[in-house]
Order: sequence, then structure tokens, then C-alpha cells
Amino acid sequence: GAVVSQHPSRVICKSGTSVKIECRSLDFQATTMFWYRQFPKKSLMLMATSNEGSKATYEQGVEKDKFLINHASLTLSTLTVTSAHPEDSSFYICSAADRRTGSYEQYFGPGTRLTVT
Amino acid sequence: EDKVVQSPLSLVVHEGDTVTLNCSYEVTNFRSLLWYKQEKKAPTFLFMLTSSGIEKKSGRLSSILDKKELFSILNITATQTGDSAVYLCGGNTDKLIFGTGTRLQVFP
Repeated sequence: GAVVSQHPSRVICKSGTSVKIECRSLDFQATTMFWYRQFPKKSLMLMATSNEGSKATYEQGVEKDKFLINHASLTLSTLTVTSAHPEDSSFYICSAADRRTGSYEQYFGPGTRLTVT
Repeated sequence: EDKVVQSPLSLVVHEGDTVTLNCSYEVTNFRSLLWYKQEKKAPTFLFMLTSSGIEKKSGRLSSILDKKELFSILNITATQTGDSAVYLCGGNTDKLIFGTGTRLQVFP
């Protein structure tokens, strides 16, 4: 159990365009979803935390107008990178948790590799 | 500011060696400490530790938490080339704060 999917797994887009990444919890309801970014040979950096039905909480230094997060249902969160630039090229990973169980375990998606040309 | 520090940053060993990876943390509202293994894609879960002094084991891997000294170790015995990966430690509050990871390379 506890499977999280992401779509797409890879995306290449042109500079200035917007890209949407989906994160779905397939066999459980995720009250909370997290979005991370990972640059090559670096650790996972938390970008934002989203609770279903609420606005996302962004980490310091992450532009909320550039990285739009929507968590409208208990099984889906989306991250939209608006007006993408080459420096946004990275590996984006989501994780999901059901806080109602009292567990603080997170389940990771497989990640989305974004390349902006 | 919450932070998690892992050491060493990288480790190169031969098959059969035993390794110990360290993780120290300073996080507010600490809930648990998690260890993950990351190869080419997203991290895969290894252990979640919530109580001090209780060793968790899974095959050749084991981990323990010391909540008084705020650290955890991950041990891998009889290492194999398939253990080569980045090992991430995360301090769990309402969110996960990751350390920089330890890159382990196991050579035949």
C-alpha cells in the first residue's frame, strides 16, 4: 500500500512556458502533500507543504507566484512552474501523508525531471 | 533554524565492509527520524525511528536513535555493490528536513 504517482516522469519545455506536475496518492487519502526539489548531487530541498483545501505553505526563498501549488482533493496535488527558465531545471519530487492516522510517515512519488531549454 | 547534518558526505568501501552513517539533528517539534536510500530516482524508505535506544533491523541494515544526544546512526554490514546509493536522513516535524546525504560507493 501507500503508493504515490507523479506525472509526467520527464518533461522538456521551452523557456517562458508553464509546466504542470501532478502528484497522486493511489491507495490512500493524503491530507498533506509536500513538494521537494533536488539539484544534481544535492539533497532534497522542501519547497512547500500543502494541506487539502488550504493554501500551501512555502519555505523561505521559494516564490509562491512562480511555483503554484494546488491541493484540491485528498488524492491529488499539482505543482505548476510558471514562466519556466533554465535554472528551474531540476528533479521535482512530491510526497504524501495522511495526518489523520497519527503517523508522520511520508510516501514519495517517483519524481519528475524537468528540463527547461 | 531546523537542521539535519549527515556525515561523512561520502564513503568508498569494498564489498564485505561494514559502514556506519551518522545523522545529527536539531528540529523543533520533533516527531521521528527517517532514513531513505536514493539511487537514481526518488528515495525509498528504510526506517522510521521514534524512540531512543530501540534498534530497527532490516536484513543487513540497522538503525538506532538517541533522542538525548539528537543523533541517529545507520549501519550496513557485509556491504554489497547494490548498497551503493545516497542515504538520506530526515528529521520529521510537520515536515521533513533532510540532511545533505551520505554518498556510499561499494566496490567489488
